[in-house]
Amino acid sequence: NAGVTQTPKFQVLKTGQSMTLQCAQDMNHEYMSWYRQDPGMGLRLIHYSVGAGITDQGEVPNGYNVSRSTTEDFPLRLLSAAPSQTSVYFCASRAYMGGNSPLHFGNGTRLTVT
Amino acid sequence: SQQGEEDPQALSIQEGENATMNCSYKTSINNLQWYRQNSGRGLVHLILIRSNEREKHSGRLRVTLDTSKKSSSLLITASRAADTASYFCATDARGTSGSRLTFGEGTQLTVNP
Repeated sequence: NAGVTQTPKFQVLKTGQSMTLQCAQDMNHEYMSWYRQDPGMGLRLIHYSVGAGITDQGEVPNGYNVSRSTTEDFPLRLLSAAPSQTSVYFCASRAYMGGNSPLHFGNGTRLTVT
Repeated sequence: SQQGEEDPQALSIQEGENATMNCSYKTSINNLQWYRQNSGRGLVHLILIRSNEREKHSGRLRVTLDTSKKSSSLLITASRAADTASYFCATDARGTSGSRLTFGEGTQLTVNP
């Protein structure tokens, strides 16, 4: 199993550009989520999904859109990038939406917005 | 705001010593989890302790949970240089659409050979 795969690994955007961060998992997990990691801030939840067709907002959803059309994929869209979105983004999945299961993380996408 | 807060923010020890990291949280939880992150990589799950458990062991790891004090500790015994990493606690609480994990800011552990 590949686990959780994120692409790209690195990306540089100009302010106002849009892009999609890709995330795919091959473990048939119901639950998928996106976090951003900034120095001194730990990981903050952006959006999450408990199954295909169902998404919900986390702590810091503004500026980001998500959709979940399949169990495997959970892309994160930045519609108009801002320097404040410079961060490392992690996608993570877990088997059960009800909890008591660990998150499996991808290796991250390092995004710089100039 | 972060649910979990780790203490200390940074810890430097010698190989062979024990390392203890603490986590405090604010609201009721289903479980608490500890993760490790090596530089430039994603987080890796270490151990999960449920709200009705008080202590759990996994190899050189020992986790305690005190729900009355809303706190947890992670003990790594006989540390090795390879244990150098950031360690995060995450609290698992029920949200409006299933449960969600909230992470603290982490403890940076350095184990000197």
